Amino acid sequence: GESVGLHLPTLSVQEGDNSIINCAYSNSASDYFIWYKQESGKGPQFIIDIRSNMDKRQGQRVTVLLNKTVKHLSLQIAATQPGDSAVYFCAESTIYNQGGKLIFGQGTELSVKP
Amino acid sequence: DTAVSQTPKYLVTQMGNDKSIKCEQNLGHDTMYWYKQDSKKFLKIMFSYNNKELIINETVPNRFSPKSPDKAHLNLHINSLELGDSAVYFCASSPQTPGRLEQYFGPGTRLTVT
Repeated sequence: GESVGLHLPTLSVQEGDNSIINCAYSNSASDYFIWYKQESGKGPQFIIDIRSNMDKRQGQRVTVLLNKTVKHLSLQIAATQPGDSAVYFCAESTIYNQGGKLIFGQGTELSVKP
Repeated sequence: DTAVSQTPKYLVTQMGNDKSIKCEQNLGHDTMYWYKQDSKKFLKIMFSYNNKELIINETVPNRFSPKSPDKAHLNLHINSLELGDSAVYFCASSPQTPGRLEQYFGPGTRLTVT
């Protein structure tokens, strides 16, 4: 069946270091991927998305890399700050699916040490 | 201004009761969703509505009934609440246009059934 999973459920980094959060997906038909950040007690917050016709997309301090060959997605956060501490989710979808159904991964908890 | 809002934020009730959660978005989006997040933070879609029409119903028990009075509102009514319904429920909305697929989440409603 469809599944989106993460290699590491927890990640601890030092402030100022770069963070890399990984995600594997199994549905080769997925062509849209999205990353969310969820802080404690809040709803998921959109970070960045990428379509399957791209390998890389950059935002403010974040970069998403997509490797369709091995069905792998990663989120890189540059110069990680304490405010980046949260649970990060990847999700997959197909652009033309009715209703925009997102299938979420397990989530990785990022902890930033000052 | 809050983009996607939900009420109440916390809901504690007894088994067998009926309760409702309300959601409103002021983003002008046509598509709205309900997600359930369990104690392990796994997020799963329940329903999707596009312009008041039900698009996705993810094998949710028929005790759950979404209602969309207009495209800015999507409420969730739950009958005969069970212990297993305890979770955080998130409402989301999305433009769902070819260029804009990202979903924006509300702050969540933590439902506790005792």
